[in-house]
Amino acid sequence: GAVVSQHPSWVICKSGTSVKIECRSLDFQATTMFWYRQFPKQSLMLMATSNEGSKATYEQGVEKDKFLINHASLTLSTLTVTSAHPEDSSFYICSARAYQGNQETQYFGPGTRLLVL
Amino acid sequence: DQQVKQNSPSLSVQEGRISILNCDYTNSMFDYFLWYKKYPAEGPTFLISISSIKDKNEDGRFTVFLNKSAKHLSLHIVPSQPGDSAVYFCAASARGTSYGKLTFGQGTILTVHP
Repeated sequence: GAVVSQHPSWVICKSGTSVKIECRSLDFQATTMFWYRQFPKQSLMLMATSNEGSKATYEQGVEKDKFLINHASLTLSTLTVTSAHPEDSSFYICSARAYQGNQETQYFGPGTRLLVL
Repeated sequence: DQQVKQNSPSLSVQEGRISILNCDYTNSMFDYFLWYKKYPAEGPTFLISISSIKDKNEDGRFTVFLNKSAKHLSLHIVPSQPGDSAVYFCAASARGTSYGKLTFGQGTILTVHP
């Protein structure tokens, strides 16, 4: 199957700093990528849809000025958590829309665990 | 408003037996459904999907059944293996909108005992 990577895999930062997370599709081009957040023992919650060359579409309740998304190429989308606070601590996962045979799916990255102190 | 629900938080099955994971949805616009497997601190892995024009899709040990009138789908794993132990998420999409964004259920923890 297709491979999606994320970097870094985990990060610890001080409150008030900004953190950038990269999501790359390694062996395919992805015009659409998605960013999710998962809190402990909860489901994946979609934060935003990232389309190459255009502005991201944010879900209700997600602050676009706090979670900056850039999808500058067909293989790279970045999520920047600006002025991070402890409540932003979570597991952030990206995915890329693709096709496996005739089945449409999303391939997920391994996730990035963010801890804000 | 939980549009995709997995009402069983956990399921325990003996190795070699069948595992049946259930999922219900409320949004009638959903026309594509997927199942993912997830280990802790990892991203979900795609297992199988089904379009609303079908009522069954099979791939090896995994079969997904869709009952549109009941807005219910299930994933059958036969035979279950200890390596299948993980969290299973069902997800739904309305493919005509929003670039295929997925709405996930809460997940079901499957434990397969040797």
